[in-house]
Amino acid sequence: NAGVTQTPKFRVLKTGQSMTLLCAQDMNHEYMYWYRQDPGMGLRLIHYSVGEGTTAKGEVPDGYNVSRLKKQNFLLGLESAAPSQTSVYFCASSPTGFHGYTFGSGTRLTVV
Amino acid sequence: KNEVEQSPQNLTAQEGEFITINCSYSVGISALHWLQQHPGGGIVSLFMLSSGKKKHGRLIATINIQEKHSSLHITASHPRDSAVYICAIYHRDDKIIFGKGTRLHILP
Repeated sequence: NAGVTQTPKFRVLKTGQSMTLLCAQDMNHEYMYWYRQDPGMGLRLIHYSVGEGTTAKGEVPDGYNVSRLKKQNFLLGLESAAPSQTSVYFCASSPTGFHGYTFGSGTRLTVV
Repeated sequence: KNEVEQSPQNLTAQEGEFITINCSYSVGISALHWLQQHPGGGIVSLFMLSSGKKKHGRLIATINIQEKHSSLHITASHPRDSAVYICAIYHRDDKIIFGKGTRLHILP
């Protein structure tokens, strides 16, 4: 089992460009999450999903969109990247939201 | 005031020592999550608890809901335990707030 796979692992974007980060899990988990981690700020929840076709906002959703068209995939989109979105992005999944969390290895995004 | 406070921020100890990391919070929660972030950046979920105590190997997590406080203990610490330990609280309204982490360094 691969667990949770994030692609890409690294990306440099120019301000205003768009991109999509993919999170894929093969554990049939219902819950999926996108976080960002910044120095001095810790982890912050961007968006999450409690099942296929559902999404909800976390603490810092502005500037991001998400989709969960298939249960195994949770996509994070940046429509018009800004330098403030330079961060390390982590995806995680859980069967219930209360146990069994598995994290991806992270995506380091730099917006110049 | 941050809703989640961890202490200490940094901790250096000798191999074999008993380690305690604390997490205090100021709001009602449905659960509390302890995470470990390795020096390479990878994150591992350690415990999720809403009451009492959980143990896995040399790691023990406790929570006191009335005092709004949780502790993570490591017995017989080892250099491979060196990592950042992060506490996260799950609000009753589904909000998740993370502490800033405790950086632990175990010396051989």
